Amino acid sequence: GDSVTQMEGPVTLSEEAFLTINCTYTATGYPSLFWYVQYPGEGLQLLLKATKADDKGSNKGFEATYRKETTSFHLEKGSVQVSDSAVYFCALSDLNTDKLIFGTGTRLQVFP
Amino acid sequence: DTGVSQDPRHKITKRGQNVTFRCDPISEHNRLYWYRQTLGQGPEFLTYFQNEAQLEKSRLLSDRFSAERPKGSFSTLEIQRTEQGDSAMYLCASRSPGTSGVNEQFFGPGTRLTVL
Repeated sequence: GDSVTQMEGPVTLSEEAFLTINCTYTATGYPSLFWYVQYPGEGLQLLLKATKADDKGSNKGFEATYRKETTSFHLEKGSVQVSDSAVYFCALSDLNTDKLIFGTGTRLQVFP
Repeated sequence: DTGVSQDPRHKITKRGQNVTFRCDPISEHNRLYWYRQTLGQGPEFLTYFQNEAQLEKSRLLSDRFSAERPKGSFSTLEIQRTEQGDSAMYLCASRSPGTSGVNEQFFGPGTRLTVL
């Protein structure tokens, strides 16, 4: 079945460092891909999305490009802030039902 | 639009008791999803509704679990004879109908269940 694999955390960075969180997927067809973020004590929020190959999703300085050839959707940010500390989830949506299939999450800790 | 709400936010119960959770989706969202999230894991799909019809149930949803959405608005998730393994965060999400190219789900804050 469809699945998402993302790098294990925690990822620990200093403020203004470059961030990459790897995500790869297995799916039949070409699902939509998402990054959700969960800040401490809060619910899941959509960070960005891409619906077809080569699409780039972006929001709040974060970017991810839908790579069909490598079945990847890596999350990047050029300069992280302390306020970016959170758990990040990569997900894909089932083509028929739109149910989301999530990775296990990657905790990001940014220190000043 | 006040977002997806869930009630209660926290529930502590003893093994063997029944519990019921409620989810109020964003108004006019026709699809409603339930997920379960255990510590250190990503959310796992449980079931979903399109209007009042329950269209899919995960194999994770044992016979002790039942979900309803009687009028196509709010939904309830009931767990009978709770077990310690049911301890998790139960998340609800809703989605608007067929907005072109956009299939974002909006999540509620979750109900954290602890079974003692």
